[in-house]
Amino acid sequence: GENVEQHPSTLSVQEGDSAVIKCTYSDSASNYFPWYKQELGKGPQLIIDIRSNVGEKKDQRIAVTLNKTAKHFSLHITETQPEDSAVYFCAAAGGADGLTFGKGTHLIIQP
Amino acid sequence: EAQVTQNPRYLITVTGKKLTVTCSQNMNHEYMSWYRQDPGLGLRQIYYSMNVEVTDKGDVPEGYKVSRKEKRNFPLILESPSPNQTSLYFCASSPRDGPYEQYFGPGTRLTVT
Repeated sequence: GENVEQHPSTLSVQEGDSAVIKCTYSDSASNYFPWYKQELGKGPQLIIDIRSNVGEKKDQRIAVTLNKTAKHFSLHITETQPEDSAVYFCAAAGGADGLTFGKGTHLIIQP
Repeated sequence: EAQVTQNPRYLITVTGKKLTVTCSQNMNHEYMSWYRQDPGLGLRQIYYSMNVEVTDKGDVPEGYKVSRKEKRNFPLILESPSPNQTSLYFCASSPRDGPYEQYFGPGTRLTVT
């Protein structure tokens, strides 16, 4: 089955700086790569996703890049703000069955 | 408001006492799924459903049952709960024909003693 590795497990950045979280996946058949943000006491919320026929996607301060050859994808957050503090999960899926999640990154924005 | 709701939000029970966690969505989504979240293990899929009367196992289905008799509801059933099923459970739904763009519920924290 699919295996998704996520790094780092904890990331601390100064407010206003950029944050980058990286994931690798094992199944070359995977073609859908979402990123979820989870705030304390809440369910995960989809913030951006990318399909395998696209190399990069951007939505305001958030961007995701995908390298299918190397089987890795990354989340980039620019101009970080206090409200960006949360746990971020990457995931991969190759079909209808389900998502395989990474173990999460705790992002801390230092004032 | 478009949402996924779960009940109860918190539950403490004893080993062997059957329980059901309900999940309901008001977005007319066909795809629904259940995940459990454990420290250090992330989110793992338990069961999913492509449509009414269609369910299938995820990565960790042992000890769980589901049913999909109506489009909006997807209950998770623990026939004989055990302490290793202590976890945070999330229901999710998707407007697509698979696990794409999923909306997650608020979670149910289950403790089995």
